[in-house]
Amino acid sequence: DAMVIQNPRYQVTQFGKPVTLSCSQTLNHNVMYWYQQKSSQAPKLLFHYYDKDFNNEADTPDNFQSRRPNTSFCFLDIRSPGLGDAAMYLCATSTTGTGRSFYNEQYFGPGTRLTVT
Amino acid sequence: QQQVKQSPQSLIVQKGGISIINCAYENTAFDYFPWYQQFPGKGPALLIAIRPDVSEKKEGRFTISFNKSAKQFSLHIMDSQPGDSATYFCAANSGNTPLVFGKGTRLSVIA
Repeated sequence: DAMVIQNPRYQVTQFGKPVTLSCSQTLNHNVMYWYQQKSSQAPKLLFHYYDKDFNNEADTPDNFQSRRPNTSFCFLDIRSPGLGDAAMYLCATSTTGTGRSFYNEQYFGPGTRLTVT
Repeated sequence: QQQVKQSPQSLIVQKGGISIINCAYENTAFDYFPWYQQFPGKGPALLIAIRPDVSEKKEGRFTISFNKSAKQFSLHIMDSQPGDSATYFCAANSGNTPLVFGKGTRLSVIA
């Protein structure tokens, strides 16, 4: 089945120790997103790529970086995690299109739960 | 400025009852309105979506009602079941822009 895969599902890191989360997709979608979701909150968009075109949200901390080496893979790097960065990190994908029949369906992965100790 | 306002924040419904969650938007350029369902520890899953050229869309027990003039849309869950207990997010966007999410509604369906 075509899907969005995130690894690892659970990640524990120490305060200030860099960590990388990964996302892969078999949907061949050209758009990929990274969201941060804290408990009882909506997903908060951090970045997104239209193909290789990187788009950073204005309020995304500089501590967060992203890489997309190819269509299928995307990485989230947290350079110096703080306690406030503990959250669920969600990857999502979609396609681009136009016209009344186009639905901008966005598919989420299962998420990576990050704990910072 | 929150562009999509969702209510209620939480909802308790008896098994077999109707769950109704409402969203209001501000940006008249929005042309796609999905609802996502999220279970604890899981990613959000697309449940149902609507474009503004129709006023209602039904898929099984789930219905979206859309009121373009009022800039409102709602999710109705008929015959609510305990397995429907989850957090529901409405969202909206225009064209290929990222989705704007509501704050979510935690639904509990009790037997």
